[in-house]
Amino acid sequence: GQQLNQSPQSMFIQEGEDVSMNCTSSSIFNTWLWYKQDPGEGPVLLIALYKAGELTSNGRLTAQFGITRKDSFLNISASIPSDVGIYFCAGQLGGTSYGKLTFGQGTILTVHP
Amino acid sequence: GAGVSQSPSNKVTEKGKDVELRCDPISGHTALYWYRQSLGQGLEFLIYFQGNSAPDKSGLPSDRFSAERTGGSVSTLTIQRTQQEDSAVYLCASSPQGDNSPLHFGNGTRLTVT
Repeated sequence: GQQLNQSPQSMFIQEGEDVSMNCTSSSIFNTWLWYKQDPGEGPVLLIALYKAGELTSNGRLTAQFGITRKDSFLNISASIPSDVGIYFCAGQLGGTSYGKLTFGQGTILTVHP
Repeated sequence: GAGVSQSPSNKVTEKGKDVELRCDPISGHTALYWYRQSLGQGLEFLIYFQGNSAPDKSGLPSDRFSAERTGGSVSTLTIQRTQQEDSAVYLCASSPQGDNSPLHFGNGTRLTVT
């Protein structure tokens, strides 16, 4: 099925560094979502973006909904060891397609103490 | 716990056998979704139930896959005549209304077909 292009695939950083990851799509989405998945668990929603151009923060996380509605980025500032995990972007069309999210391939984040 | 509950957490089956995976959504959530996550990949939409409406089955990969939701609550995903390529983590999610409400995922069932 269709997937978003998420990059980078993996990141190895030192504790305290900032992190940036992004997703691009050839299709327009009406909602962009960012999830984090820990081993053996389901994804947990981090940030939801509902309007083109929207910039939203959640603690050390900041995400933006691209103005073209075809891209989004997620920044994590001052990383800590518990930030380790897999981060997924997801796009949602809405309308009759609620819940039919299209996911990126994920970014594996490793934080060295 | 008040989260989405899935069972079993792990399932190993022989090729050709049928399997049933169960999902208990969060109480009161009217929308229920099944996704599949293959190793090292993102999640792939399978099927979506919203209230009493006909389910959206557009993501089911073949007619060996089916799902039911009884009484608007518990859902069962059935895979008939399993193949090795069916090996994956099957994730269930629910949301309050099936609109822009965030999806709450369970921990998944890891299916291994030998």
